[in-house]
Amino acid sequence: QSALTQPASVSGSPGQSITISCTGTSSDVGRYKFVSWYQQFPGKAPKLLISGVRERPSGVSDRFSGSKSGNTASLAISGLQAEDEAEYYCCSYASSNTWVFGGGTKVTVL
Amino acid sequence: QVQLQESGPRLVKPSETLSLTCSVSGGSIRNYYWTWVRQPPGKGLEWIGYIFYSGTYTYNPSLESRVTILLETSKSQFSLKLTSVTAADTAVYYCARAPGHVPPDPSFAFDAWGPGSLVTVSS
Repeated sequence: QSALTQPASVSGSPGQSITISCTGTSSDVGRYKFVSWYQQFPGKAPKLLISGVRERPSGVSDRFSGSKSGNTASLAISGLQAEDEAEYYCCSYASSNTWVFGGGTKVTVL
Repeated sequence: QVQLQESGPRLVKPSETLSLTCSVSGGSIRNYYWTWVRQPPGKGLEWIGYIFYSGTYTYNPSLESRVTILLETSKSQFSLKLTSVTAADTAVYYCARAPGHVPPDPSFAFDAWGPGSLVTVSS
């Protein structure tokens, strides 16, 4: 069970849109619709942003959106704001009732 | 609003057993997967395993020879035991939950987390 692959960092200016990719295999991202994304600030617990590839829990800004194509899932952040500067993790359900996380992507707002 | 809180020793000696408890308040134990996730300092998240309220469980294959997760429904608590620890097990340990709808629906994700507990393995 290998970690999902995410870029180490992504940056953008305020107001811009950015996308974070999350690449897995046909045994996790490619096979199941249970891909989720989490936002984590330093010293804090992760917070669920997206579940089921593209569903936003109540209270999550609609500037965050999720999608999936083949073995790669993506998180898009539109209208980038200073408060979006954080670490972002993808996560996928995998075979044998297990879960696997991505390595994390640090988002920097320039 | 459900709240989760980890508790247990913050310092464990090498080769000994790490033990943590997660207390759940403000919500039901039923119909959820109760989960442990860890994060070594400066590194990413790692799923350790979970237990369903019925008692069935699944562990990360890389850890399953050393991991036990138990559920105490009467106390609204679940626990983690990790045996034969080394410095590589030093991490912040989080408890979390995932809805256990049958069949699973798009809400199947970790929707509530404890604040985390840093456990250091050192002599």
